[in-house]
Amino acid sequence: GEDVEQSLFLSVREGDSSVINCTYTDSSSTYLYWYKQEPGAGLQLLTYIFSNMDMKQDQRLTVLLNKKDKHLSLRIADTQTGDSAIYFCAEKASNSGYALNFGKGTSLLVTP
Amino acid sequence: NAGVMQNPRHLVRRRGQEARLRCSPMKGHSHVYWYRQLPEEGLKFMVYLQKENIIDESGMPKERFSAEFPKEGPSILRIQQVVRGDSAAYFCASSPADRGQETQYFGPGTRLLVL
Repeated sequence: GEDVEQSLFLSVREGDSSVINCTYTDSSSTYLYWYKQEPGAGLQLLTYIFSNMDMKQDQRLTVLLNKKDKHLSLRIADTQTGDSAIYFCAEKASNSGYALNFGKGTSLLVTP
Repeated sequence: NAGVMQNPRHLVRRRGQEARLRCSPMKGHSHVYWYRQLPEEGLKFMVYLQKENIIDESGMPKERFSAEFPKEGPSILRIQQVVRGDSAAYFCASSPADRGQETQYFGPGTRLLVL
């Protein structure tokens, strides 16, 4: 099957920017998503980007997509301790139509 | 507008028992998806349902697992004769019909522990 890969762990200081990276292999991906999961909770949709876009900004979040390299990143500006969570990258391939293919998640730890 | 609701939030079963997980989609959503998250793993797609129809169950184990989404009431994921390997978090997501982007909104999950 197609793989979505993320680094497993990232630690940043409060106030710094965080950059979480994701690579995917399915060139037919139409939409790419970032979800946030806090301990014991469900997945919260943070943002998504359509594959014909290069960048999307939403308040403190910036998503960059390099379709040629199949690389997606999520930048969180002015990271706060409340941003500590697991961040999942997911893709929706055009041939599946609906099933999301998730990475294993990046655990972000924000230290004071 | 309430989000996706799942119950129970936690479920403990002994090996061989049955587990029933319920999911009520967001108001106005008619598409339901079930995913399973094993410890320290990402979510894996199991099944996609619309009202009274299973559209795709390619991610669901062939035995012991079944899903339904009746005309009235919540979607049910049923696991018969549970084994320890079924211990996981089961997430339900829903999306509205007839929208090209069809963002999936997730519920809080049911954490199943098989003893």
